[in-house]
Amino acid sequence: GIQVEQSPPDLILQEGANSTLRCNFSDSVNNLQWFHQNPWGQLINLFYIPSGTKQNGRLSATTVATERYSLLYISSSQTTDSGVYFCAVERRSNYQLIWGAGTKLIIKP
Amino acid sequence: ETGVTQSPTHLIKTRGQQVTLRCSSQSGHNTVSWYQQALGQGPQFIFQYYREEENGRGNFPPRFSGLQFPNYSSELNVNALELDDSALYLCASSLAGRGEETQYFGPGTRLLVL
Repeated sequence: GIQVEQSPPDLILQEGANSTLRCNFSDSVNNLQWFHQNPWGQLINLFYIPSGTKQNGRLSATTVATERYSLLYISSSQTTDSGVYFCAVERRSNYQLIWGAGTKLIIKP
Repeated sequence: ETGVTQSPTHLIKTRGQQVTLRCSSQSGHNTVSWYQQALGQGPQFIFQYYREEENGRGNFPPRFSGLQFPNYSSELNVNALELDDSALYLCASSLAGRGEETQYFGPGTRLLVL
């Protein structure tokens, strides 16, 4: 089956710093989503981005489908950005998301 | 617009017991997916329901079963609980057929099997 790898596994930054999270996937996909899971377990969808670039405030994402990777950019980090960021992909249109292991982000004040 | 809700929030069971977890999908959504998330790992797909029919299943044994009701709410049933079933169980709803099938997650049910 399709493999999803995220890097780095852990990231500790000071408030105000910028960061780039990466997601590599092993086969073509027709759906890629980025999620943020807060310390209480709630998963929030950040981007639906099978290809191209999207921006939402301080967050932006780029997926290069032909090269099988996606990047999530976080600018001017805030402590509320802390949590785990997951990339999830779907190979066929059956909504079975395959998840990476996540990047744990800690933003220090 | 009502978001995805799950009940109960926490649950403690003993090995061998049975458990039922419930999920109410977001208003207007017709598809519900269930995931198991062990501590420190990403979610694992259990199964998905679309219009009351199972629409796909991950690598979980038959003791994991589900239902979707006409109002698109859903249940996850687990029989003969094992210690390894301890996890956060997440439900996500989506609207099939619109092209951008974003999944929206509930807060989860934390299950502890002793």
